[in-house]
Amino acid sequence: SQTIHQWPATLVQPVGSPLSLECTVEGTSNPNLYWYRQAAGRGLQLLFYSVGIGQISSEVPQNLSASRPQDRQFILSSKKLLLSDSGFYLCAWSVLGQPREQYFGPGTRLTVT
Amino acid sequence: GQQLNQSPQSMFIQEGEDVSMNCTSSSIFNTWLWYKQEPGEGPVLLIALYKAGELTSNGRLTAQFGITRKDSFLNISASIPSDVGIYFCAGQANNQGGKLIFGQGTELSVKP
Repeated sequence: SQTIHQWPATLVQPVGSPLSLECTVEGTSNPNLYWYRQAAGRGLQLLFYSVGIGQISSEVPQNLSASRPQDRQFILSSKKLLLSDSGFYLCAWSVLGQPREQYFGPGTRLTVT
Repeated sequence: GQQLNQSPQSMFIQEGEDVSMNCTSSSIFNTWLWYKQEPGEGPVLLIALYKAGELTSNGRLTAQFGITRKDSFLNISASIPSDVGIYFCAGQANNQGGKLIFGQGTELSVKP
């Protein structure tokens, strides 16, 4: 069966510090991968998605970047965090070529102070 | 751009009551998904709908893909305390490369 992992689970970082969040998927090959941010207002905002190694599409201009160094690894980064980067970050995957159903990881709670 | 309106925003019900929530879209979707999210966790997929008019059940949960392809409904029968959480609808259009549009969620509280 497929599983998706995210770490860390929680993170408190000062403004201006760098960020690296990691997501890995097991039990599937060539997945589509997604990064979402969920603010306190509950809506999920798509940040990035990837259909393959090194292929990243950005949905909104922002202070964050994403990379996919391996087939089942997706990384969310920032060089300098802003207060507005606080939120709950969710990684998701779907089957390549049949992307209708997305499956979410447990999330990372980021607080920028 | 595409928008999803989900209602109600919150519900406070007594254990044993039935629950109904819905989502409407400004454009046509070819897929509707319903998720449940508990505090501090990622959303969990409950039901997926692929055809207009489709009615699908998952235990006490039943969801329908609207005939117009612009709406979907989720019903929960005989609610129990563990139904508490935020329920999200999500829709997907043919020309969006697999991307999902999410509703703002319905927060469900169940009083024992």
